[in-house]
Amino acid sequence: QKEVEQDPGPLSVPEGAIVSLNCTYSNSAFQYFMWYRQYSRKGPELLMYTYSSGNKEDGRFTAQVDKSSKYISLFIRDSQPSDSATYLCAMITAGNEKLTFGTGTRLTIIP
Amino acid sequence: GAVVSQHPSWVICKSGTSVKIECRSLDFQATTMFWYRQFPKQSLMLMATSNEGSKATYEQGVEKDKFLINHASLTLSTLTVTSAHPEDSSFYICSAGASEAFFGQGTRLTVV
Repeated sequence: QKEVEQDPGPLSVPEGAIVSLNCTYSNSAFQYFMWYRQYSRKGPELLMYTYSSGNKEDGRFTAQVDKSSKYISLFIRDSQPSDSATYLCAMITAGNEKLTFGTGTRLTIIP
Repeated sequence: GAVVSQHPSWVICKSGTSVKIECRSLDFQATTMFWYRQFPKQSLMLMATSNEGSKATYEQGVEKDKFLINHASLTLSTLTVTSAHPEDSSFYICSAGASEAFFGQGTRLTVV
């Protein structure tokens, strides 16, 4: 079993829809949770960073962490074609700099 | 946010030659940098942890003599793919910064 599970998709939704991306994890030592967006042939770009259970909002993006269920989500509101990319969840234990990535979900927003 | 610059963004080389990829942290000092490899439609695979002033730590299955890492200063780490072969063709990405890791733009290596 992988430490971090993420549905690879692909996921296609119409423009304006709410997108929900999810990851589950098995290691309860993970304390910090990140979501990255990666466009084709580019390096990942940090979107959201959280370390506590609950919601964190930044513009159209909301990151949700449920440590009791070992489940994290990224919601994208009012999705735009420019949101089409691969979204990677990543997590890290305290005192460690090594990230553990999910497989990434390929998202396409259809105009 | 912090900026990590990676160079070159793409390179084509002949089989048997060596290629050097640079990773620089532009506005912060990084005692640790990370090198990843990514195959098409797959996630990032950590290759090694680059430590300033000491030897790199390689992940299991990564040939340290093949992928030479040098972290000579707090702002620069280099990855040299030695005697490159077509199977080394891939997308290589570096990152730096604790917790909120910042990534370089990536380098697409094609070995012909």
